[in-house]
Amino acid sequence: QSVLTQPPSASGTPGQRVTISCSGTISNIGTHTVNWYQHLPGTAPKLLIYNTNQRPSGVPDRFSGSKSGTSASLAISGLQSEDEADYYCAAWDDTLKGVFGTGTKVTVL
Amino acid sequence: QVLLQQWGAGLLRPSETLSLTCAVYGGSFNYYWWSWVRQSPGKGLEWIGEINHNGRTNYSPSLKSRVTMSVDTSKDQFSLRLNFVTAADTGIYYCVRGSFSGIVAPDQWGQGTQVIVSS
Repeated sequence: QSVLTQPPSASGTPGQRVTISCSGTISNIGTHTVNWYQHLPGTAPKLLIYNTNQRPSGVPDRFSGSKSGTSASLAISGLQSEDEADYYCAAWDDTLKGVFGTGTKVTVL
Repeated sequence: QVLLQQWGAGLLRPSETLSLTCAVYGGSFNYYWWSWVRQSPGKGLEWIGEINHNGRTNYSPSLKSRVTMSVDTSKDQFSLRLNFVTAADTGIYYCVRGSFSGIVAPDQWGQGTQVIVSS
């Protein structure tokens, strides 16, 4: 089981804004930066957000990340059909080392 | 642009050793940490561990007793060995450039290797 807790699912209609939460503790999110990954079946995960709120080159600015205390969030604005995927937060933990969130399946209605 | 290409045995029997290697093309091998991540069927992503060019490692506490990672800087390759596998080790294994604790977050991924453990 993961120490980073995400809602199992989230959904929205095209154009809507969807937010995914990632709840951790002082030993991970509370101390370290957060990364977010998009994972489509049959493909390798893709880095969406690093250092809590930075986007790699090529990632649309519809994706944004933030953190407050021991929780982080990924927001997808202007939801598109191609955004339907699994999303994972990830961070360093002072005890467990690398940790991923439980994952959130985003459905575009 | 960096390319990670991985290979290894895809079908193992219980108690055997999983062995995967990842070759890095595109340079800067000594600058990064290199990680392994897996996904078991129907489950989420799981961090296995990481290694740098000096051979310094960090392993997941839950797998530490069975995991060994190594590097070959002459070939820009790094490897994963997981001993005494069981059906619970079945999944897709990815090699990845970067570290959650380092300067560069895991960003470039290998193509993944399907590993099945079955008697």
